[in-house]
Amino acid sequence: DAKTTQPTSMDCAEGRAANLPCNHSTISGNEYVYWYRQIHSQGPQYIIHGLKNNETNEMASLIITEDRKSSTLILPHATLRDTAVYYCIVRLGSGNTGKLIFGQGTTLQVKP
Amino acid sequence: EPEVTQTPSHQVTQMGQEVILRCVPISNHLYFYWYRQILGQKVEFLVSFYNNEISEKSEIFDDQFSVERPDGSNFTLKIRSTKLEDSAMYFCASSYFGTGPNEQFFGPGTRLTVL
Repeated sequence: DAKTTQPTSMDCAEGRAANLPCNHSTISGNEYVYWYRQIHSQGPQYIIHGLKNNETNEMASLIITEDRKSSTLILPHATLRDTAVYYCIVRLGSGNTGKLIFGQGTTLQVKP
Repeated sequence: EPEVTQTPSHQVTQMGQEVILRCVPISNHLYFYWYRQILGQKVEFLVSFYNNEISEKSEIFDDQFSVERPDGSNFTLKIRSTKLEDSAMYFCASSYFGTGPNEQFFGPGTRLTVL
């Protein structure tokens, strides 16, 4: 699985969009970008994943650059409950049941 | 919404004792996992399990660890002789096997404290 680089921490004002970047310059053609988050020592929670097209679900949007070397997770209207550690993970996608490899992630602090 | 459950939420044990951590995965899931997180550190993979066999294990998962699916619903992690360094949060996860995204659903964790 390709390595990812994320900022250690970020702040965001409540109600504003939170944009969390991730670099994955060594991503290969069949690897997907997954995002998980962990709220204060709870179990990690799946957010979204994508291959090359931008994706949106009820939680977030994922923007992947055309060269696929980086991506941005967007929480459109951050709330205090979105304060968490966000993990960007690159791995094989469809049908993949292999382990998740977590890095240090980005600690997002949403402030009132 | 279906969810993974884990018991107990907190387990305190003496060094050298055996512990069994229990998990009930989501009912139609076929792949099961254990991860752990030592306080302040990354979430680390321990083992994956499919069709009553270990699919993959990490270097952490040594002979002191074992996993079992004793019936159609439970998935357990046993540590035979606990060490101080086994103190951590242990997360169970499950995923559905198919052609979809196969995201893993995690339980709330069991905090293991070894004294």
